Amino acid sequence: AQSVAQPEDQVNVAEGNPLTVKCTYSVSGNPYLFWYVQYPNRGLQFLLKYITGDNLVKGSYGFEAEFNKSQTSFHLKKPSALVSDSALYFCAVRDPGGATNKLIFGTGTLLAVQP
Amino acid sequence: EAGVTQFPSHSVIEKGQTVTLRCDPISGHDNLYWYRRVMGKEIKFLLHFVKESKQDESGMPNNRFLAERTGGTYSTLKVQPAELEDSGVYFCASSQEGTGDTGELFFGEGSRLTVL
Repeated sequence: AQSVAQPEDQVNVAEGNPLTVKCTYSVSGNPYLFWYVQYPNRGLQFLLKYITGDNLVKGSYGFEAEFNKSQTSFHLKKPSALVSDSALYFCAVRDPGGATNKLIFGTGTLLAVQP
Repeated sequence: EAGVTQFPSHSVIEKGQTVTLRCDPISGHDNLYWYRRVMGKEIKFLLHFVKESKQDESGMPNNRFLAERTGGTYSTLKVQPAELEDSGVYFCASSQEGTGDTGELFFGEGSRLTVL
């Protein structure tokens, strides 16, 4: 069965420092991987996705994620955190061989960036 | 272009009552999804419509939940009768892609349901 794990409930980082939000997945075959962000009182917004090709994917707001097949990971990164990056981040996977496009989400990681 | 809109944003009801949540997808999007997040847990898939047809309803918890999408436009999700464990945030998402495409889903802001 497909699954996604986000091992950290919360990540704290100082503004200007690099940040990493971890995600590992379990899916048969080659996965489609996504990151979404939820700002307070807002819906989920798409950040980036990995389908195929270059393992380093660049997305919105300066975020990037690295696909690592051997470690089944898709960690979200940003070189320099902003206070405005504080939000709830969700990793998701989709089985490209599945009958529908439904996403399987992780439990979310709360990113808190301190000024 | 308007995004995915959901109504109500927050509903507080008592156990045993009925609640109906509504989702208006982005115009022209054939695919409509319902998801739910219970406090602190993952966002769980409930079901998927393609136009007015249910493509996948494997995530619906039980027969107290009824989703409809008459005419293939907006969708409603009714919970009757509501139980305490139904509390959570219900998200709706839409997309224009066909099965197997790689596009992302567009989400609404969610409807928070509190059952007392």
